[in-house]
Amino acid sequence: GQNIDQPTEMTATEGAIVQINCTYQTSGFNGLFWYQQHAGEAPTFLSYNVLDGLEEKGRFSSFLSRSKGYSYLLLKELQMKDSASYLCAVRDSNYQLIWGAGTKLIIKP
Amino acid sequence: GAVVSQHPSRVICKSGTSVKIECRSLDFQATTMFWYRQFPKQSLMLMATSNEGSKATYEQGVEKDKFLINHASLTLSTLTVTSAHPEDSSFYICSAREAKGTGNQPQHFGDGTRLSIL
Repeated sequence: GQNIDQPTEMTATEGAIVQINCTYQTSGFNGLFWYQQHAGEAPTFLSYNVLDGLEEKGRFSSFLSRSKGYSYLLLKELQMKDSASYLCAVRDSNYQLIWGAGTKLIIKP
Repeated sequence: GAVVSQHPSRVICKSGTSVKIECRSLDFQATTMFWYRQFPKQSLMLMATSNEGSKATYEQGVEKDKFLINHASLTLSTLTVTSAHPEDSSFYICSAREAKGTGNQPQHFGDGTRLSIL
């Protein structure tokens, strides 16, 4: 079956750095996405990786290793507004998005 | 950036009522739109994939006669929850992917519709 694993919850301090990991097992791979979802709101797109390596976008970076079935989202200079759930999603061979359950990130002052 | 508009944002109605939710891509064409459902503290669950000009593809366990999907144009898809009951109360979210380009186009989400059936 297809499976996306990410931690359920993480806690970090304002101004610090946090890394959210995602491992996947899917039938085929056509890219990995990270989304941010604040409570009660719809997800918003953060990043996309299809080749191995690091993609940097401001305070957020995303890394992919296809051979390991592994990705991480790195958030730097954490702000209180970064408190949200972070969803990892993989597009499989049928171009279907397979979603992880999300990681709830709690930022403390 | 690409904008998806979903309407209404919140619905509270009596059991047995049918509820229609609209999803529009405002500044791009979307041959494919997706309808998700999300229960509290759970992940997104894909209900169906809506294809412009053809029948929607429903995920296993989703009743197509209960959740009617119409993708009338390249910018509009609707989900109608027929004869809604309290167990249908949930957060319904649509998303759309731009028709152009390669497979790296992300899905853009509407703001979601919180449906509460009394």
